[in-house]
Amino acid sequence: QQPVQSPQAVILREGEDAVINCSSSKALYSVHWYRQKHGEAPVFLMILLKGGEQKGHDKISASFNEKKQQSSLYLTASQLSYSGTYFCGTGTYSGGGADGLTFGKGTHLIIQP
Amino acid sequence: DSGVTQTPKHLITATGQRVTLRCSPRSGDLSVYWYQQSLDQGLQFLIQYYNGEERAKGNILERFSAQQFPDLHSELNLSSLELGDSALYFCASSDRSGLIGNEQFFGPGTRLTVL
Repeated sequence: QQPVQSPQAVILREGEDAVINCSSSKALYSVHWYRQKHGEAPVFLMILLKGGEQKGHDKISASFNEKKQQSSLYLTASQLSYSGTYFCGTGTYSGGGADGLTFGKGTHLIIQP
Repeated sequence: DSGVTQTPKHLITATGQRVTLRCSPRSGDLSVYWYQQSLDQGLQFLIQYYNGEERAKGNILERFSAQQFPDLHSELNLSSLELGDSALYFCASSDRSGLIGNEQFFGPGTRLTVL
């Protein structure tokens, strides 16, 4: 089942902060965050694993609440280059083993000067 | 630049035809994942190969198939193409065998248009 992202879109001024949320109805093993600019490839930002392990860019932070199956991506002191669509991808297990990543519909972020 | 390469960048073809999309993973990566991105379905996982073996399948149609060669490049074959197959096709690679527990680095994609 597709995770739900909120908000759908946000417009910020350069230097402002934003939080993007990702929520799933399934128990999560991992949450992956990507940023995609129009017509380009998704760029890896961060992975958060059940148990607390995280890997990602120094300037990006995120949280993962395993009990609530939720993750949030925190963008602080936003820069123009942060503009794009942010996707969360969730990793789950079912009876047959791991399921492939399921991505949300994305959050469109526009940073204005 | 993720280090993953995909060719061709654009592909325009007619319904009923067959095409092959190619992906070369980052140096040293053994896993290749294929994804389809369309406006209505979003980004969907199709299939994973690890060191030449099929590892996991997602929402891949029977008309689609993939393989990974000894040099680790991978090809996605799409046959009996339909209008609805028009989409961006991405491959991603990783240095591990896992499906959901490690970072995946995406290539630039192949935009397929079926007329």
